[in-house]
Amino acid sequence: DTAVSQTPKYLVTQMGNDKSIKCEQNLGHDTMYWYKQDSKKFLKIMFSYNNKELIINETVPNRFSPKSPDKAHLNLHINSLELGDSAVYFCASSQDTVQGANEQFFGPGTRLTVL
Amino acid sequence: AQSVTQLDSHVSVSEGTPVLLRCNYSSSYSPSLFWYVQHPNKGLQLLLKYTSAATLVKGINGFEAEFKKSETSFHLTKPSAHMSDAAEYFCVVTPSAAGNKLTFGGGTRVLVKP
Repeated sequence: DTAVSQTPKYLVTQMGNDKSIKCEQNLGHDTMYWYKQDSKKFLKIMFSYNNKELIINETVPNRFSPKSPDKAHLNLHINSLELGDSAVYFCASSQDTVQGANEQFFGPGTRLTVL
Repeated sequence: AQSVTQLDSHVSVSEGTPVLLRCNYSSSYSPSLFWYVQHPNKGLQLLLKYTSAATLVKGINGFEAEFKKSETSFHLTKPSAHMSDAAEYFCVVTPSAAGNKLTFGGGTRVLVKP
């Protein structure tokens, strides 16, 4: 009964390729996120979707494009992969309320290695 | 604008001794604060959160944190470390008025010696 799942867990690919990472949550949450964790463990938000609508879009290259087919899924597509894209990508979800911050539930991460 | 500083990148403790992980924040708004733990090759798990209720917050696995507005701090403590506490810990801030955008500290790696 995984709450937030990601596939694949590991992704090794060559520079210039296009790849996708999938995320699904079965918590009934309204909001989903993508985070990037670099080699120094620093975590930074990339995107956030609420009910399939983009609400946070940090300074991320246009090569990264999130897609949310429904509120339970948020996929991340990356075009023309570069060495610097190597990182662990985490998906997360939360229930959106008007009463401030709620816990975000994180997936297990996808370790992307670009050769 | 908001930011989080975790004052120690590494902390080493002996099993059974107290753990203290220090976190200072800055936020333009009244913040919500979290501590997350990441075990090796795992996702992040919430330990505890502060959202303007009691300033002393109790979390899972015996951890607790105290929100001190005057010191802009949210330090995490545990009275007695266990081997299973070896992990990376992240202090996180978000403005309560716009609660979705988390800002993470740089992380503190905890090593527990037998």
